[in-house]
Amino acid sequence: SQQGEEDPQALSIQEGENATMNCSYKTSINNLQWYRQNSGRGLVHLILIRSNEREKHSGRLRVTLDTSKKSSSLLITASRAADTASYFCATLDTGRRALTFGSGTRLQVQP
Amino acid sequence: DTAVSQTPKYLVTQMGNDKSIKCEQNLGHDTMYWYKQDSKKFLKIMFSYNNKELIINETVPNRFSPKSPDKAHLNLHINSLELGDSAVYFCASSALGGDYNEQFFGPGTRLTVL
Repeated sequence: SQQGEEDPQALSIQEGENATMNCSYKTSINNLQWYRQNSGRGLVHLILIRSNEREKHSGRLRVTLDTSKKSSSLLITASRAADTASYFCATLDTGRRALTFGSGTRLQVQP
Repeated sequence: DTAVSQTPKYLVTQMGNDKSIKCEQNLGHDTMYWYKQDSKKFLKIMFSYNNKELIINETVPNRFSPKSPDKAHLNLHINSLELGDSAVYFCASSALGGDYNEQFFGPGTRLTVL
């Protein structure tokens, strides 16, 4: 069954606005990661948050993790047209050695 | 200087044919993966190799056979291709260790079965 469910499936905003994407998962995890995929390209790792962390920042990215609710959010501040892409959460589940990916959020940033 | 490379980028073939996709990484990683991304963009792990040893084999038809000649290469051979095999296949690698498992992805191979 699909581990990660992302919400919303698609998001369209104006340049300069913030974009928030949410991810829910079902099992116990070691860490949760966010990846970005530009159209027709491979995935690129953005940020990792460990299960004992609650919040992490990297540039314009802010990730939160709530293990009690089994959910995470990715916030992109001051979005740019170049942020247009699909964003995936992925969990490294306890006892597994591969990531389980969510269904992704398609972000469109209008210039 | 590409970190993870795949060939070919596009593959169009007839049902019933046998085809291979090659993957190479020059990152010195000891773990490599194959993922399948369907038309709805859902990404699912197929196989994982660590130092040439198979460590993950999800529910994949045995028409799919991964081969790892060394830890820098993980090829995917598909026999008797079916229409449902049409998808984008991604190779990835990681340095397995601790609880950190950032993966580096190749550009993908778009397989179209006619």
